[in-house]
Amino acid sequence: DTEVTQTPKHLVMGMTNKKSLKCEQHMGHRAMYWYKQKAKKPPELMFVYSYEKLSINESVPSRFSPECPNSSLLNLHLHALQPEDSALYLCASSQGSREAYGYTFGSGTRLTVV
Amino acid sequence: QKEVEQNSGPLSVPEGAIASLNCTYSDRGSQSFFWYRQYSGKSPELIMFIYSNGDKEDGRFTAQLNKASQYVSLLIRDSQPSDSATYLCAEETGANNLFFGTGTRLTVIP
Repeated sequence: DTEVTQTPKHLVMGMTNKKSLKCEQHMGHRAMYWYKQKAKKPPELMFVYSYEKLSINESVPSRFSPECPNSSLLNLHLHALQPEDSALYLCASSQGSREAYGYTFGSGTRLTVV
Repeated sequence: QKEVEQNSGPLSVPEGAIASLNCTYSDRGSQSFFWYRQYSGKSPELIMFIYSNGDKEDGRFTAQLNKASQYVSLLIRDSQPSDSATYLCAEETGANNLFFGTGTRLTVIP
């Protein structure tokens, strides 16, 4: 299995809703990431988990809350989002070593906040 | 402040030509670089990675790294319409994270 699976593929939520994005990989990768990508912009790093521990939080607002229940799963809990949070949310995983051959990205969740 | 600069394009080349995509970076300590291809509405997919000075070839793709000039490039030979996409240059930071450039949009004209 060489895939990173993200669910749901599309999500529309109101500003008062609570929802979660899910990500799963079974490649034994030790690092998992959340990226946010706005239209015509590059992916921007949000969170990094290394060995199931949060190692990087790139000053992301608290309305985004990551969780890593185990080495294969990564969640992103969403609460009280704003319309400007609408974007493609990408999960990725990697070996986590200096010789890592880049990331494997999931297909993303297209989030629309109304 | 880490910077990875790419010409946003669009870069247009005729089918069968060589497409040349360029990237410069500011962190002299950066070790590894990656090229990702991203079709509209899709997630990025890895094309090439390079960490040594010189050229690395894989099929129609050649990555070039010049650490002295802090310059990375991607050449696509025999360009096909299916190569039309945004190409993202990324550098691997010391924390094993990827920092992406702004991307270059390539259009291959049949």
